[in-house]
Amino acid sequence: EAGVAQSPRYKIIEKRQSVAFWCNPISGHATLYWYQQILGQGPKLLIQFQNNGVVDDSQLPKDRFSAERLKGVDSTLKIQPAKLEDSAVYLCASSREIYNEQFFGPGTRLTVL
Amino acid sequence: AQSVTQPDIHITVSEGASLELRCNYSYGATPYLFWYVQSPGQGLQLLLKYFSGDTLVQGIKGFEAEFKRSQSSFNLRKPSVHWSDAAEYFCAFLAGNMLTFGGGTRLMVKP
Repeated sequence: EAGVAQSPRYKIIEKRQSVAFWCNPISGHATLYWYQQILGQGPKLLIQFQNNGVVDDSQLPKDRFSAERLKGVDSTLKIQPAKLEDSAVYLCASSREIYNEQFFGPGTRLTVL
Repeated sequence: AQSVTQPDIHITVSEGASLELRCNYSYGATPYLFWYVQSPGQGLQLLLKYFSGDTLVQGIKGFEAEFKRSQSSFNLRKPSVHWSDAAEYFCAFLAGNMLTFGGGTRLMVKP
């Protein structure tokens, strides 16, 4: 069974630029999560999808962050415009259903200069 | 407020020695509890989980954890550490639909 795929693995941008990350969850997993992990901290949930609907986006900075999961499979997370404090690893995870074990991708390391 | 605390930011142990990583949670009820491991450049891998029942939980790679309700703790243990165990370890709990992580403990293993 293939794991959660993410791309790119690394991205360096300047502040005020925009950036997008892509995630392909494990086949058949209905729930998809995006986390932000700042250096030295644990991951923090940004947004959770159940199929193509948003379950929880209470911690997503909606003035600059957006995410979508068209067709209930792949997902993209976008930041526009980026700030220095957005430098972090962005992790995607998926699970069969809500409350099931979450499987994590390798993450995208974003550096904002 | 709901939270997870890992009091030790860094721990160094000698290879072959025993290990205990501490985790305390703050939540109004008994949450679902997890331990994850993250190696450099890798995603998080689930080591073990506690939902209910036996308070001593066995996981992968020889790890175990014990849930103690009276202490609001879920400490991770391993009797004999291997050099490959060097990584960052995260305790987490599931409350409602949200998985909340502690700040992590970085484990270093001395030869």
